[in-house]
Amino acid sequence: KQEVTQIPAALSVPEGENLVLNCSFTDSAIYNLQWFRQDPGKGLTSLLLIQSSQREQTSGRLNASLDKSSGRSTLYIAASQPGDSATYLCAGDSNSGYALNFGKGTSLLVTP
Amino acid sequence: DGGITQSPKYLFRKEGQNVTLSCEQNLNHDAMYWYRQDPGQGLRLIYYSQIVNDFQKGDIAEGYSVSREKKESFPLTVTSAQKNPTAFYLCATRTDLSYGYTFGSGTRLTVV
Repeated sequence: KQEVTQIPAALSVPEGENLVLNCSFTDSAIYNLQWFRQDPGKGLTSLLLIQSSQREQTSGRLNASLDKSSGRSTLYIAASQPGDSATYLCAGDSNSGYALNFGKGTSLLVTP
Repeated sequence: DGGITQSPKYLFRKEGQNVTLSCEQNLNHDAMYWYRQDPGQGLRLIYYSQIVNDFQKGDIAEGYSVSREKKESFPLTVTSAQKNPTAFYLCATRTDLSYGYTFGSGTRLTVV
């Protein structure tokens, strides 16, 4: 079973700072890696999906990379804004199609 | 608009009662999933279904039941055997292995 760990658990940064969220997983046979955002009391919003044959994806100020050999993924947020404050979740699955295994998330606070 | 509808948004259960959470999708996705989210524990898989009339237990299926009679619907019943049902329940769908997961907005269940 895929075990996913996210570091740090919480992060507070001033507005405008660039930041990196880390995700590590135990099974290098990971198939897809997906990053989500969750606002308090809400469902999950997909940010980026890195498919099995890819190494990174970009959307606006967000960039996610995947290194299967080291079992790590990073989410880079450029020029952070207060609206980026949320919990960010990393999740991976295997090619058996079982389901996503989630990390516990990184709670991000961007202060004005 | 295509999406996932979870209802109700809030649900209260008395001791000994069974309650059913609804998940409906119009994305035409084959696979559907139920996750439970508790503070500090991340998301844990309850049940999943990859095709109509078939479903599989996840990591924490005890005290829960599901059905998949239609492609669009995957209701979750929380039975009286589930001793600690208070949590946030999230439904997700996916079309196939090559694509990411889409989540609903969740149902918050509280035991009173």
